[in-house]
Amino acid sequence: NAGVTQTPKFRVLKTGQSMTLLCAQDMNHEYMYWYRQDPGMGLRLIHYSVGEGTTAKGEVPDGYNVSRLKKQNFLLGLESAAPSQTSVYFCASSYSGAIGDEQFFGPGTRLTVL
Amino acid sequence: GESVGLHLPTLSVQEGDNSIINCAYSNSASDYFIWYKQESGKGPQFIIDIRSNMDKRQGQRVTVLLNKTVKHLSLQIAATQPGDSAVYFCAENSRSGGGADGLTFGKGTHLIIQP
Repeated sequence: NAGVTQTPKFRVLKTGQSMTLLCAQDMNHEYMYWYRQDPGMGLRLIHYSVGEGTTAKGEVPDGYNVSRLKKQNFLLGLESAAPSQTSVYFCASSYSGAIGDEQFFGPGTRLTVL
Repeated sequence: GESVGLHLPTLSVQEGDNSIINCAYSNSASDYFIWYKQESGKGPQFIIDIRSNMDKRQGQRVTVLLNKTVKHLSLQIAATQPGDSAVYFCAENSRSGGGADGLTFGKGTHLIIQP
């Protein structure tokens, strides 16, 4: 049982390039989330999904797109990367969206945009 | 939007002493609070949670206290060990209408354990 995994672990992009971050979970969770973490700040929610085929915007969605084609995977896309998107990205999942339902986090992807 | 914040960015304690990490929140509708531990290079890890209908909850070496009157949350770690060195985040969840919009995190407190 690997829990929540993220690929890649590190990536360097040039401004304007695109890329996709992959999150996978093997816990059969319905809910999945993408957060970003900037230095000296807490995690901020980018997008989330309440089930296969659904996505919704979080606190800071601009410049990102997501897809949840399979229940176990949640993809985060950057169509045209900007230096302001340099951050550490964390994926999380939970069984449901109920209060008290623990979110499990992946190890993170460190992205640098030059 | 409303946010969750922390009083101190860094806390240094002697090994074996007790640690108290504080958190203030502003959203009076918050009904669930969580403390996370994040070690260097890793994702946040759940420590303990508390619902708004409780004042105190204890785990193994950790205790969370909730004061709804002043909107204050604290994490107490007993007999701190070197492995407790990490950044600790409080997070709150206030979902209205049953929507799942994730957690709102504070900025974090870096706990440093002195030998």
